[in-house]
Amino acid sequence: AQKVTQAQTEISVVEKEDVTLDCVYETRDTTYYLFWYKQPPSGELVFLIRRNSFDEQNEISGRYSWNFQKSTSSFNFTITASQVVDSAVYFCALSEAVLNFGNEKLTFGTGTRLTIIP
Amino acid sequence: EAGVTQFPSHSVIEKGQTVTLRCDPISGHDNLYWYRRVMGKEIKFLLHFVKESKQDESGMPNNRFLAERTGGTYSTLKVQPAELEDSGVYFCASSRSSGGTYEQYFGPGTRLTVT
Repeated sequence: AQKVTQAQTEISVVEKEDVTLDCVYETRDTTYYLFWYKQPPSGELVFLIRRNSFDEQNEISGRYSWNFQKSTSSFNFTITASQVVDSAVYFCALSEAVLNFGNEKLTFGTGTRLTIIP
Repeated sequence: EAGVTQFPSHSVIEKGQTVTLRCDPISGHDNLYWYRRVMGKEIKFLLHFVKESKQDESGMPNNRFLAERTGGTYSTLKVQPAELEDSGVYFCASSRSSGGTYEQYFGPGTRLTVT
């Protein structure tokens, strides 16, 4: 069975500080995908990143970066120089890799509520 | 392109009543998913459609829940009769079957409150 753990329920940091959101996963699959979604106050889940289990390179997108480490089953998300607009709930998710692309049901963590204090 | 839309945004019903939630996926997306988040817990998968066919409904809680996707376009999720534990936010998501990066695009959710 798959499981995603986001141990940090809520985090508050002052604007411009860096913050890291932790994600630890469990799966028996050898091939899988990891995701991060952002849920702003408007409610929809906004896709941030999708990472294949074979690709352990860290990824950077602007102020966002992701650290994938298979050895510790972690896929952590760092926001550099945080801004008030980063305030949201962030979800980490996992899916198995299937033959028919697109059929990927997601297993989510419980989310981390991030508040950036101006 | 228009995103995934869900209707209503919020529904308050009494225990025993029936509610129907609607999801309009992004045009051209064959895959449609329903998820649910109960207060404070993780978002859980309910079921998956490919066009009009149910591919996986392993997450449906019980037979009080009925999902349909007639014509492979919009989908409805009916809860009949509703129970208190059905309260939560119901999310719909869609994705392409081929091409692109296959990420799921989510709607804003329907907040269901059963009293």
